[in-house]
This record gives sequence, structure tokens and C-alpha cells, in this order.
Amino acid sequence: DAGVIQSPRHEVTEMGQEVTLRCKPISGHNSLFWYRQTMMRGLELLIYFNNNVPIDDSGMPEDRFSAKMPNASFSTLKIQPSEPRDSAVYFCASSRKAGGYTFGSGTRLTVV
Amino acid sequence: AQSVTQLGSHVSVSEGALVLLRCNYSSSVPPYLFWYVQYPNQGLQLLLKYTTGATLVKGINGFEAEFKKSETSFHLTKPSAHMSDAAEYFCAVRANNNNDMRFGAGTRLTVKP
Repeated sequence: DAGVIQSPRHEVTEMGQEVTLRCKPISGHNSLFWYRQTMMRGLELLIYFNNNVPIDDSGMPEDRFSAKMPNASFSTLKIQPSEPRDSAVYFCASSRKAGGYTFGSGTRLTVV
Repeated sequence: AQSVTQLGSHVSVSEGALVLLRCNYSSSVPPYLFWYVQYPNQGLQLLLKYTTGATLVKGINGFEAEFKKSETSFHLTKPSAHMSDAAEYFCAVRANNNNDMRFGAGTRLTVKP
């Protein structure tokens, strides 16, 4: 099992550009989560999906952020337009019902 | 809604000493409780979890935690710290009837030679 796979590992972009982060969950896991981690705010849950359906997106900071899960093996988190304050590490995690989460290695986003 | 409080954002111990990282939770329904470890520039890795049954759970790397309902606590311990234990540790809680996990602010463990 390759675990949760995130790409890219690092992303540097200019303010105003669109950024797309990608995640492939573990096969058989029916829930997928997007988190953002910063020194100031710690780990924040942005959105999560059950069976490809968004359940709770109350953590998405602004309309500039959007997430999709078109099928059980792929999800994207998009920021458009990006701003310097979006700089953070973005983690994707997946789980089976009642299980612990398996995290990906994260995408370190820097917006300059 | 569930929440966790980790007491102490930084804990420093000497190599070979006892490690105790504190976590208290709040949950209106029976909780599932977790400890995760994060090494620099890596994702979070599950150390151990409590769902039901035995209240003392053992995890990887010699860590264990005890669920104490009366104290709403789930403290993480290890009898003898190793240099490789230096990392950030997160306590997390989720209700037994949903998939929404809430993390504490984390405790950074430093191990001195």
C-alpha cells in the first residue's frame, strides 16, 4: 500500500495565480480530509468528504478555496486567486469508518 | 461537538526519563481518541488509538495511553525517552458516530542527551 499520495510536495507561486493541490487516498478508505497547518493556527480542518460527497466545508476560509472529489481515488484542493497568507502545509488524509486517519506527506505551499 | 486540550505546548525531558504528554477531551458522545506524531517535514503518523474495550492502549515505539473517562483524559506516556522521540505530538478526538476528528494544538517534545 503506497499510502496517501499528495502532489506536488512543494509549490511556489506568485500572488494571484491559481494553485491546485492533488490527493490520492488509500484504496478502500471512504472518507477524505483536507487540513492546513501553520505555526500560528496549527492544524485546521478545511473540508471532508464521505463517499466522495462533501460533508463539512465550514473550515474553508474563503470562496477562493474550493475542493472536489470526482471519484473515490482522487481529490483536488484549489485556491484561486492565491494570496501570501495562504502559505502553509496542506495535508490530505483518508480513513475508513471509525478508523484513524492516514495522512499524506503534505504539500508545502509558498505564495510570494 | 468534540474538542481536545493539550497541556503544555513544549515538553523537555532527558534521554531515559519518563515521557508524559497530557491530553483532555470534551465529547458529548463516547469518544474515539488518538495520538499522532509528526516528525519534521513529514505528515502525521498514528501512534495509537482508543475506540472501545481495554482502556490502556499500547502503540508503536513503546508509547501507551490510558483512557480515563472520569477524568476525561487520554495522556500519552513512555517509560524511557529516546532521542528519536523528539517530535510534535497531537492528541485527537472524534465522536463514535461521525468521521469528524478534532486535533489539539500539539506538544513539541524535546529530548536532551
